[in-house]
Amino acid sequence: QSLLTQPPSVSAAPGQNVTISCSGSTSNIGNNSVSWYQLLPGTAPQVLIYGNNNRPSGVPDRFSGSKSGTSSTLDITGLQAGDEADYYCQTWDTSRSAWVFGGGTKLTVL
Amino acid sequence: QVQLVESGGGVVQPGRSLRLSCAASGLNIRTRGMHWVRQAPGKGLEWVACTSSDGQTTYYADSVKGRFTISRNTFRNTVNLQIDSLRPEDTAVYYCASGRGGLGDEYFNAWGQGTLVTVSS
Repeated sequence: QSLLTQPPSVSAAPGQNVTISCSGSTSNIGNNSVSWYQLLPGTAPQVLIYGNNNRPSGVPDRFSGSKSGTSSTLDITGLQAGDEADYYCQTWDTSRSAWVFGGGTKLTVL
Repeated sequence: QVQLVESGGGVVQPGRSLRLSCAASGLNIRTRGMHWVRQAPGKGLEWVACTSSDGQTTYYADSVKGRFTISRNTFRNTVNLQIDSLRPEDTAVYYCASGRGGLGDEYFNAWGQGTLVTVSS
Protein backbone atom coordinates (compact mmCIF):
# COMPACT_ATOMS: atom_id res chain seq x y z
CA GLN A 1 0.00 0.00 0.00
CA SER A 2 1.69 3.17 -1.23
CA LEU A 3 1.77 6.35 0.85
CA LEU A 4 0.84 8.23 -2.32
CA THR A 5 -2.55 7.42 -3.82
CA GLN A 6 -3.13 7.54 -7.57
CA PRO A 7 -6.11 6.31 -9.59
CA PRO A 8 -5.24 2.92 -11.13
CA SER A 9 -6.34 4.02 -14.57
CA VAL A 10 -7.56 6.92 -16.65
CA SER A 11 -8.60 7.09 -20.28
CA ALA A 12 -9.49 9.67 -22.89
CA ALA A 13 -9.64 10.07 -26.64
CA PRO A 14 -6.87 11.58 -28.76
CA GLY A 15 -6.87 15.35 -28.59
CA GLN A 16 -8.63 15.44 -25.24
CA ASN A 17 -7.15 16.44 -21.90
CA VAL A 18 -6.60 14.25 -18.85
CA THR A 19 -5.66 14.85 -15.22
CA ILE A 20 -3.92 12.34 -12.97
CA SER A 21 -4.07 12.95 -9.24
CA CYS A 22 -1.65 12.02 -6.48
CA SER A 23 -2.75 12.30 -2.87
CA GLY A 24 -0.43 12.15 0.12
CA SER A 25 0.03 13.70 3.53
CA THR A 26 1.92 16.41 5.37
CA SER A 27 4.89 14.09 5.85
CA ASN A 28 5.41 13.78 2.11
CA ILE A 29 3.66 15.94 -0.50
CA GLY A 30 2.62 18.57 2.01
CA ASN A 31 6.21 19.58 2.78
CA ASN A 32 8.28 18.34 -0.15
CA SER A 33 8.44 18.67 -3.91
CA VAL A 34 6.68 16.29 -6.26
CA SER A 35 8.00 14.74 -9.44
CA TRP A 36 6.18 12.83 -12.15
CA TYR A 37 7.52 10.02 -14.35
CA GLN A 38 6.35 8.35 -17.52
CA LEU A 39 6.99 4.65 -18.01
CA LEU A 40 6.46 3.54 -21.58
CA PRO A 41 6.27 -0.22 -22.23
CA GLY A 42 9.71 -1.76 -22.34
CA THR A 43 11.56 1.44 -21.50
CA ALA A 44 13.12 3.03 -18.46
CA PRO A 45 11.21 5.71 -16.54
CA GLN A 46 11.56 9.27 -17.73
CA VAL A 47 11.02 12.36 -15.58
CA LEU A 48 8.25 14.61 -16.89
CA ILE A 49 7.90 17.08 -14.04
CA TYR A 50 10.17 17.98 -11.12
CA GLY A 51 9.88 20.52 -8.35
CA ASN A 52 6.06 20.34 -8.57
CA ASN A 53 5.74 22.18 -11.86
CA ASN A 54 9.04 22.24 -13.76
CA ARG A 55 9.62 20.47 -17.07
CA PRO A 56 13.06 19.16 -18.07
CA SER A 57 14.21 20.26 -21.50
CA GLY A 58 12.71 18.08 -24.16
CA VAL A 59 9.43 17.40 -22.39
CA PRO A 60 6.53 18.87 -24.37
CA ASP A 61 4.55 21.68 -22.75
CA ARG A 62 1.46 19.49 -23.10
CA PHE A 63 2.61 18.07 -19.76
CA SER A 64 2.20 20.23 -16.67
CA GLY A 65 2.21 19.67 -12.94
CA SER A 66 0.85 21.41 -9.89
CA LYS A 67 0.65 20.96 -6.15
CA SER A 68 -1.84 22.13 -3.59
CA GLY A 69 -1.59 21.13 0.05
CA THR A 70 -1.07 17.39 0.25
CA SER A 71 -2.05 16.65 -3.36
CA SER A 72 -0.46 16.99 -6.75
CA THR A 73 -1.82 16.67 -10.27
CA LEU A 74 -0.35 15.92 -13.67
CA ASP A 75 -2.21 17.45 -16.59
CA ILE A 76 -1.79 16.22 -20.13
CA THR A 77 -3.40 18.24 -22.90
CA GLY A 78 -3.95 17.28 -26.53
CA LEU A 79 -3.57 13.56 -25.90
CA GLN A 80 -1.60 11.55 -28.43
CA ALA A 81 -1.41 7.80 -28.97
CA GLY A 82 2.21 7.89 -27.85
CA ASP A 83 1.16 9.15 -24.42
CA GLU A 84 -0.27 5.74 -23.58
CA ALA A 85 1.91 4.72 -20.64
CA ASP A 86 2.09 4.34 -16.88
CA TYR A 87 2.55 7.51 -14.85
CA TYR A 88 3.98 7.77 -11.33
CA CYS A 89 4.22 10.57 -8.82
CA GLN A 90 7.16 10.65 -6.41
CA THR A 91 8.35 12.65 -3.43
CA TRP A 92 10.37 12.44 -0.22
CA ASP A 93 8.68 11.25 2.96
CA THR A 94 10.14 13.07 5.93
CA SER A 95 8.73 10.71 8.57
CA ARG A 96 10.19 7.62 6.92
CA SER A 97 13.36 9.22 5.58
CA ALA A 98 12.59 7.55 2.27
CA TRP A 99 11.65 8.41 -1.27
CA VAL A 100 8.18 7.19 -2.20
CA PHE A 101 6.29 6.55 -5.41
CA GLY A 102 2.58 6.52 -6.02
CA GLY A 103 1.01 3.24 -7.07
CA GLY A 104 0.99 4.34 -10.70
CA THR A 105 -1.76 5.25 -13.17
CA LYS A 106 -2.23 3.53 -16.49
CA LEU A 107 -3.27 5.99 -19.18
CA THR A 108 -5.20 4.55 -22.09
CA VAL A 109 -5.68 6.64 -25.21
CA LEU A 110 -8.96 5.42 -26.69
CA GLN B 1 25.41 12.70 -22.09
CA VAL B 2 24.60 10.81 -18.92
CA GLN B 3 24.52 7.04 -19.20
CA LEU B 4 23.83 4.52 -16.47
CA VAL B 5 24.38 0.84 -17.21
CA GLU B 6 23.29 -1.84 -14.77
CA SER B 7 24.67 -5.36 -14.63
CA GLY B 8 24.65 -8.40 -12.36
CA GLY B 9 21.05 -9.57 -12.65
CA GLY B 10 20.06 -13.16 -13.24
CA VAL B 11 18.23 -16.15 -11.84
CA VAL B 12 19.08 -16.88 -8.20
CA GLN B 13 17.77 -19.35 -5.66
CA PRO B 14 15.98 -18.10 -2.55
CA GLY B 15 18.36 -17.40 0.31
CA ARG B 16 21.35 -16.72 -1.94
CA SER B 17 23.07 -13.39 -2.55
CA LEU B 18 23.56 -11.19 -5.59
CA ARG B 19 25.52 -8.05 -6.32
CA LEU B 20 24.23 -5.51 -8.82
CA SER B 21 26.44 -2.85 -10.32
CA CYS B 22 25.72 0.45 -12.05
CA ALA B 23 28.40 2.05 -14.21
CA ALA B 24 27.95 5.79 -14.65
CA SER B 25 29.34 7.91 -17.46
CA GLY B 26 28.76 11.56 -18.23
CA LEU B 27 28.35 12.34 -14.54
CA ASN B 28 30.48 12.16 -11.41
CA ILE B 29 28.71 10.10 -8.75
CA ARG B 30 30.47 12.21 -6.11
CA THR B 31 28.16 15.07 -7.09
CA ARG B 32 24.90 13.12 -7.07
CA GLY B 33 22.76 11.05 -4.81
CA MET B 34 22.60 7.64 -6.48
CA HIS B 35 19.58 5.38 -6.14
CA TRP B 36 18.22 1.94 -6.87
CA VAL B 37 14.56 1.61 -7.81
CA ARG B 38 12.82 -1.66 -8.64
CA GLN B 39 9.69 -2.79 -10.42
CA ALA B 40 8.29 -6.23 -9.74
CA PRO B 41 6.36 -7.95 -12.54
CA GLY B 42 2.98 -6.31 -12.95
CA LYS B 43 3.67 -3.92 -10.08
CA GLY B 44 4.61 -0.28 -9.68
CA LEU B 45 7.91 1.46 -9.06
CA GLU B 46 9.44 0.99 -5.61
CA TRP B 47 12.37 3.06 -4.38
CA VAL B 48 14.92 0.75 -2.72
CA ALA B 49 18.11 2.47 -1.62
CA CYS B 50 20.24 5.60 -1.92
CA THR B 51 23.81 6.66 -1.25
CA SER B 52 24.25 10.39 -0.74
CA SER B 53 26.48 12.54 -2.93
CA ASP B 54 29.13 12.79 -0.22
CA GLY B 55 28.97 9.06 0.41
CA GLN B 56 28.35 9.63 4.11
CA THR B 57 24.71 8.62 4.30
CA THR B 58 22.71 5.69 3.03
CA TYR B 59 18.96 5.28 3.00
CA TYR B 60 16.86 2.13 2.59
CA ALA B 61 13.23 1.26 2.11
CA ASP B 62 11.78 -0.53 5.13
CA SER B 63 11.12 -3.58 2.95
CA VAL B 64 14.83 -4.16 2.32
CA LYS B 65 16.57 -2.90 5.46
CA GLY B 66 19.02 -5.41 6.84
CA ARG B 67 19.28 -7.38 3.57
CA PHE B 68 20.32 -4.76 0.99
CA THR B 69 23.54 -2.74 1.11
CA ILE B 70 24.28 0.12 -1.26
CA SER B 71 27.85 1.22 -1.82
CA ARG B 72 29.89 3.16 -4.32
CA ASN B 73 33.33 3.16 -5.88
CA THR B 74 34.28 6.72 -6.78
CA PHE B 75 37.40 5.63 -8.65
CA ARG B 76 35.38 3.45 -10.99
CA ASN B 77 32.35 5.76 -10.85
CA THR B 78 30.11 2.83 -10.01
CA VAL B 79 27.32 2.17 -7.55
CA ASN B 80 26.61 -1.29 -6.21
CA LEU B 81 23.70 -3.02 -4.53
CA GLN B 82 24.43 -6.10 -2.47
CA ILE B 83 21.32 -8.20 -1.98
CA ASP B 84 21.46 -10.92 0.67
CA SER B 85 18.92 -13.57 1.72
CA LEU B 86 17.04 -13.19 -1.54
CA ARG B 87 13.30 -13.79 -1.44
CA PRO B 88 10.86 -14.51 -4.27
CA GLU B 89 9.32 -11.08 -3.70
CA ASP B 90 12.67 -9.50 -4.63
CA THR B 91 12.04 -10.58 -8.22
CA ALA B 92 12.04 -7.36 -10.20
CA VAL B 93 13.77 -5.17 -12.71
CA TYR B 94 16.28 -3.10 -10.78
CA TYR B 95 17.01 0.38 -12.09
CA CYS B 96 19.92 2.62 -11.19
CA ALA B 97 19.02 6.31 -11.11
CA SER B 98 20.86 9.55 -10.41
CA GLY B 99 19.31 12.21 -8.22
CA ARG B 100 19.14 15.97 -8.63
CA GLY B 101 18.20 18.48 -5.97
CA GLY B 102 18.26 18.58 -2.18
CA LEU B 103 16.69 16.01 0.09
CA GLY B 104 13.11 17.27 0.00
CA ASP B 105 13.33 18.23 -3.66
CA GLU B 106 15.34 15.35 -5.06
CA TYR B 107 14.11 13.70 -8.22
CA PHE B 108 15.54 11.02 -10.49
CA ASN B 109 16.80 12.74 -13.61
CA ALA B 110 18.59 9.86 -15.33
CA TRP B 111 17.88 6.16 -15.34
CA GLY B 112 19.55 3.02 -16.59
CA GLN B 113 17.75 0.42 -18.66
CA GLY B 114 17.50 -1.94 -15.70
CA THR B 115 18.68 -5.44 -14.85
CA LEU B 116 16.29 -8.30 -14.14
CA VAL B 117 16.61 -10.29 -10.95
CA THR B 118 14.58 -13.48 -10.73
CA VAL B 119 14.47 -15.36 -7.44
CA SER B 120 13.34 -18.90 -8.01
CA SER B 121 14.30 -22.41 -7.02
